[in-house]
Amino acid sequence: EPEVTQTPSHQVTQMGQEVILRCVPISNHLYFYWYRQILGQKVEFLVSFYNNEISEKSEIFDDQFSVERPDGSNFTLKIRSTKLEDSAMYFCATRTSGSYNEQFFGPGTRLTVL
Amino acid sequence: GDSVTQMEGPVTLSEEAFLTINCTYTATGYPSLFWYVQYPGEGLQLLLKATKADDKGSNKGFEATYRKETTSFHLEKGSVQVSDSAVYFCALSETPGGSYIPTFGRGTSLIVHP
Repeated sequence: EPEVTQTPSHQVTQMGQEVILRCVPISNHLYFYWYRQILGQKVEFLVSFYNNEISEKSEIFDDQFSVERPDGSNFTLKIRSTKLEDSAMYFCATRTSGSYNEQFFGPGTRLTVL
Repeated sequence: GDSVTQMEGPVTLSEEAFLTINCTYTATGYPSLFWYVQYPGEGLQLLLKATKADDKGSNKGFEATYRKETTSFHLEKGSVQVSDSAVYFCALSETPGGSYIPTFGRGTSLIVHP
């Protein structure tokens, strides 16, 4: 069964460093999302992406964050200068155009900022 | 704004016990309601959903009924198995006309002992 994959599974970085989290969507999916979950807290929406542009973003998604689909397959989330409070689990999700409600989630990347 | 509240975990049960995980919601419109499950090391998977009042979603022996009068969507299973050990997330998304981006609860960890 097709699945969303994410790399790396765990990323440890120093505060102030840039990180790039990668997601490979299911092949016929056109809508992409990033979510995060700080330990013990809710899963929070960050951004949605369609047709090579951001379609919606939350207030969490500030200028430190960016997304792109550089090569038509990977979907990336970049954090330019990480802060301690960026430590969280980051989930990618994708869906087809015909299925408004069901998003397929990847296994997540655990980001630890020291 | 929209919010989802679910019971705190962990919920610890013996195999074949009855499971209830409570979920209540606040929404401005007419949301669709969901339960997602996250098995260890995997992404969130849609477990079941209900799109209108009194609908019952069911899958893999789990079920939940959309109760508009009590704004609840409690998850139940009659006889849990060790393999049901996972984190369960209640969620809603506003439809139609909404962004289809789910609002999640904090998740409830279920541990089933043999």
